[in-house]
Amino acid sequence: EPEVTQTPSHQVTQMGQEVILRCVPISNHLYFYWYRQILGQKVEFLVSFYNNEISEKSEIFDDQFSVERPDGSNFTLKIRSTKLEDSAMYFCASSAQGSLRNGETQYFGPGTRLLVL
Amino acid sequence: TQLLKQSPQFLSIQEGENLTVYCNSSSVFSSLQWYRQEPGEGPVLLVTVVTGGEVKKLKRLTFQFGDARKDSSLHITAAQTGDTGLYLCAGARSNDYKLSFGAGTTVTVRA
Repeated sequence: EPEVTQTPSHQVTQMGQEVILRCVPISNHLYFYWYRQILGQKVEFLVSFYNNEISEKSEIFDDQFSVERPDGSNFTLKIRSTKLEDSAMYFCASSAQGSLRNGETQYFGPGTRLLVL
Repeated sequence: TQLLKQSPQFLSIQEGENLTVYCNSSSVFSSLQWYRQEPGEGPVLLVTVVTGGEVKKLKRLTFQFGDARKDSSLHITAAQTGDTGLYLCAGARSNDYKLSFGAGTTVTVRA
């Protein structure tokens, strides 16, 4: 069964450093998403992406964050200058048509655990 | 703002007992999903409900979507230790391009 993959599985970085989290969505999917989950808290939406543009973003997704689809397979989340509070599990997800409101399935990757020291 | 409120937050029961987890909102959702998440892993979809009043069964798990599409429940019959985990509800409203998650219910089934 096709799956969303993410690399790295764990990343430790110093405060102020840039990090890039990578995701390979399911190959025929058109919509891509990033969520994060701070330890002990709920999964929070960051951004959705379609046709090389951001479809929707949350208030968490400020100027320090950016997303890119550099080629036909990868989808990346960049945090320019990491803060301690960016420490979280980051999940990439993809869906075929972006029709979540019609019950379309959103498939999640295994996550990248980011620790900012 | 907590769009989807799950209750209880924690649930511990004996193997063989039944349990129900609730997911409530003041908003109407076009679709609602239930996920299970293991520690250190991503959420795995259990079921999606889209029609008010819909009931779906997955072996010992029964999922219900409220008539007004504002609430949902997950009922597990004769729980097994393998049912232990974090259960999440998540929904998409009519104009959403995202899922909004509840805080989750941690279920522990004791042998």
